[in-house]
Amino acid sequence: SQTIHQWPATLVQPVGSPLSLECTVEGTSNPNLYWYRQAAGRGLQLLFYSVGIGQISSEVPQNLSASRPQDRQFILSSKKLLLSDSGFYLCAWSVRDRAVRALHFGNGTRLTVT
Amino acid sequence: AQSVAQPEDQVNVAEGNPLTVKCTYSVSGNPYLFWYVQYPNRGLQFLLKYITGDNLVKGSYGFEAEFNKSQTSFHLKKPSALVSDSALYFCAVRDGYGQNFVFGPGTRLSVLP
Repeated sequence: SQTIHQWPATLVQPVGSPLSLECTVEGTSNPNLYWYRQAAGRGLQLLFYSVGIGQISSEVPQNLSASRPQDRQFILSSKKLLLSDSGFYLCAWSVRDRAVRALHFGNGTRLTVT
Repeated sequence: AQSVAQPEDQVNVAEGNPLTVKCTYSVSGNPYLFWYVQYPNRGLQFLLKYITGDNLVKGSYGFEAEFNKSQTSFHLKKPSALVSDSALYFCAVRDGYGQNFVFGPGTRLSVLP
């Protein structure tokens, strides 16, 4: 069966420090991968999605970037964190085929920028 | 552009009573609709989806949802609520074979014992 791993679960970082959040998927190949941010425990904002290695689409211009160095690995990064980057970051995957597939989420990383 | 509305920020229901969490959508093509549930400090869990066919879709944990094309709605329902159903519920839409899912703002469900 497929599983998705996100780490770390929680992170406290000072303003101006770098960020690297990692997400990996097991048990599938060629998935679509997504990074969402959830602010204040409510709505989800799509940050990036990827349909293949090295292919990244950015939905919202901001202080963050994403990379997909391997088929099942998706990394969210920042060179210098801002206070406004605090939030709950969720990685998700879906099967990439012509069917309409659901998104499957990891357990998230709670980031607090101080 | 796709959009999803969940008109109720909070829904309170007594245990054992039926529950409904409302969702309306706007898409340019065929709507592909989803419901997810989120427990505190966890990721979203998939409950059910509508693609085509029967307007009543059955999903996990006894939940079902009714698709209504004329009202552009996809309300989540359960005949008898449990206290453990208390959580944050999200409706989402995907347009055609696009890669993006658009989520509603979420509805917090509280089931009171």
